[in-house]
Amino acid sequence: AQKITQTQPGMFVQEKEAVTLDCTYDTSDQSYGLFWYKQPSSGEMIFLIYQGSYDEQNATEGRYSLNFQKARKSANLVISASQLGDSAMYFCAMREGRRSSASKIIFGSGTRLSIRP
Amino acid sequence: GAVVSQHPSWVICKSGTSVKIECRSLDFQATTMFWYRQFPKQSLMLMATSNEGSKATYEQGVEKDKFLINHASLTLSTLTVTSAHPEDSSFYICSAYKFPTNEQFFGPGTRLTVL
Repeated sequence: AQKITQTQPGMFVQEKEAVTLDCTYDTSDQSYGLFWYKQPSSGEMIFLIYQGSYDEQNATEGRYSLNFQKARKSANLVISASQLGDSAMYFCAMREGRRSSASKIIFGSGTRLSIRP
Repeated sequence: GAVVSQHPSWVICKSGTSVKIECRSLDFQATTMFWYRQFPKQSLMLMATSNEGSKATYEQGVEKDKFLINHASLTLSTLTVTSAHPEDSSFYICSAYKFPTNEQFFGPGTRLTVL
């Protein structure tokens, strides 16, 4: 069975600093995808970044990058130059199987990130 | 990006009544939709996978007779909470799978409060 672990329930970071949110996963599948979502207080799930298990390069999307270490089964999210609007819950998630499949996405427990001005 | 809507955005009902929540993909056809439940300060827990034209697949521990799912068209899935009780109060979120881009888009969620 697949499992996602986020060990940081909460983090405080000074504005403009970089922050790393940890995520480890466990799966017996060779093909899988890893996601990070942001959930502000409104409740909507905002997609941030995706990494496929066969992708050779770490994914990047603007200020977001995913530090993918396959052997260690970790997929940490790095946010550069944090902003006050980055304060939210962040969820790491995984989908087993190739991206071309409508497989279910399973979520970690989340990390609440608070940015200090 | 693609848009997924949910209706209603919030609902308050009395214990023992049934509540229907709709999930619509507005600009794409979704053969598969997923229903999640999120209690306060917790993560999203997958309840069931809804496939158009077939029976939903429920996760272990989710009562299929209590949480009725209907995916009658390629753009609409509904979740009905039957005989709701206060412990069913939660945030319900759907997501829709878009082919061929293989992305999943989340709806804005429905907050259910059972009195």
